[in-house]
Amino acid sequence: GQNIDQPTEMTATEGAIVQINCTYQTSGFNGLFWYQQHAGEAPTFLSYNVLDGLEEKGRFSSFLSRSKGYSYLLLKELQMKDSASYLCAVSEIGSARQLTFGSGTQLTVLP
Amino acid sequence: GAGVSQSPSNKVTEKGKDVELRCDPISGHTALYWYRQSLGQGLEFLIYFQGNSAPDKSGLPSDRFSAERTGGSVSTLTIQRTQQEDSAVYLCASSSRGQGGETQYFGPGTRLLVL
Repeated sequence: GQNIDQPTEMTATEGAIVQINCTYQTSGFNGLFWYQQHAGEAPTFLSYNVLDGLEEKGRFSSFLSRSKGYSYLLLKELQMKDSASYLCAVSEIGSARQLTFGSGTQLTVLP
Repeated sequence: GAGVSQSPSNKVTEKGKDVELRCDPISGHTALYWYRQSLGQGLEFLIYFQGNSAPDKSGLPSDRFSAERTGGSVSTLTIQRTQQEDSAVYLCASSSRGQGGETQYFGPGTRLLVL
């Protein structure tokens, strides 16, 4: 089984940097995903980490430490449109390939 | 189509009625997943289809829930004798081969409200 924890809510200012943390416990780690979900919309894929380190993709970066069961999503140069829920999801070896999701972090970007 | 589609987008039903939710995955994707998202919660896995293999139903919350996938493409999630606690957004996702670590692409969801 898996246990995934992330903060419920975060607030940041337009133009700033925000880091959303995710910790997980799993018996057979097979990758970690970050999804963005705007209110009333489907989750959309942001990033995937399976090896330790930082993956950078434009304004968004995702970091993984497998030994610590820890990941973070870093958002730079925040824009109002970045206000959304950010979902951390873990894929587990030997599972039926489904993802186990955290409850999501609701990010509000203020002007 | 270009993405995963689901219908209906919204469904309001009375307690005790049956409902059917439809999902059209991305063309060529062999893996299909159903999730449920209650208000303010993360996604809860329900069922997984991969090709012609028997589906993994381990996430279905009760025997009132069932799903099928016809012809390896379209899937229907059926909820019998709906209860108020079934009210949620039902999301469908597909991935190309159902391999671990593959990106899952989500449809817009069906918002179900049981009165």
